[in-house]
Amino acid sequence: AQTVTQSQPEMSVQEAETVTLSCTYDTSESNYYLFWYKQPPSRQMILVIRQEAYKQQNATENRFSVNFQKAAKSFSLKISDSQLGDTAMYFCAFMKQWNNDMRFGAGTRLTVKP
Amino acid sequence: AAGVIQSPRHLIKEKRETATLKCYPIPRHDTVYWYQQGPGQDPQFLISFYEKMQSDKGSIPDRFSAQQFSDYHSELNMSSLELGDSALYFCASSSRGSRSYNEQFFGPGTRLTVL
Repeated sequence: AQTVTQSQPEMSVQEAETVTLSCTYDTSESNYYLFWYKQPPSRQMILVIRQEAYKQQNATENRFSVNFQKAAKSFSLKISDSQLGDTAMYFCAFMKQWNNDMRFGAGTRLTVKP
Repeated sequence: AAGVIQSPRHLIKEKRETATLKCYPIPRHDTVYWYQQGPGQDPQFLISFYEKMQSDKGSIPDRFSAQQFSDYHSELNMSSLELGDSALYFCASSSRGSRSYNEQFFGPGTRLTVL
């Protein structure tokens, strides 16, 4: 079974600074997908960024980027120039290729302080 | 752009009652997923459907059933409700034919409270 671990229950960062959220996962699969989802107080689940395991290049979406280390099974999220609107719960998620069972980590609650 | 629609947004039921949650995927999306998120917990995958057929099954209790209809909307039926079923229920959809077929778009959720 696949497990996703987020070791930081809570983090805070000053506005405009950079923060990195950690995520590790355990799998015997070689082809899979990794995601970071954001859940603000509205509880809406919003996809932040995704990474295909077969791609060596780290995914980037504007201020969000990942550090994907396949051998170490690590998938951290870096948020640059943090904004107040980034305050949310962030979930790391894993999904095997051709399988719809997406597994989430326990989440990291990020607070951006003015 | 059209998003995933879930109804109702809020639902209050008594123990042992039944509930039906509805999900309308993004147009042209062929896959629907259901998740349950308890208070302070991460979402747990329940079940998914592709082209009206069940494709994967997660931690869905036997008291729950779901189906996807010909218009691709899906319903999650929950019977003999228990207090522990109180949670936020998300529906998500995706398109297997698209380049980002594994990208799931989530609805706003249905908050079920069982008293």
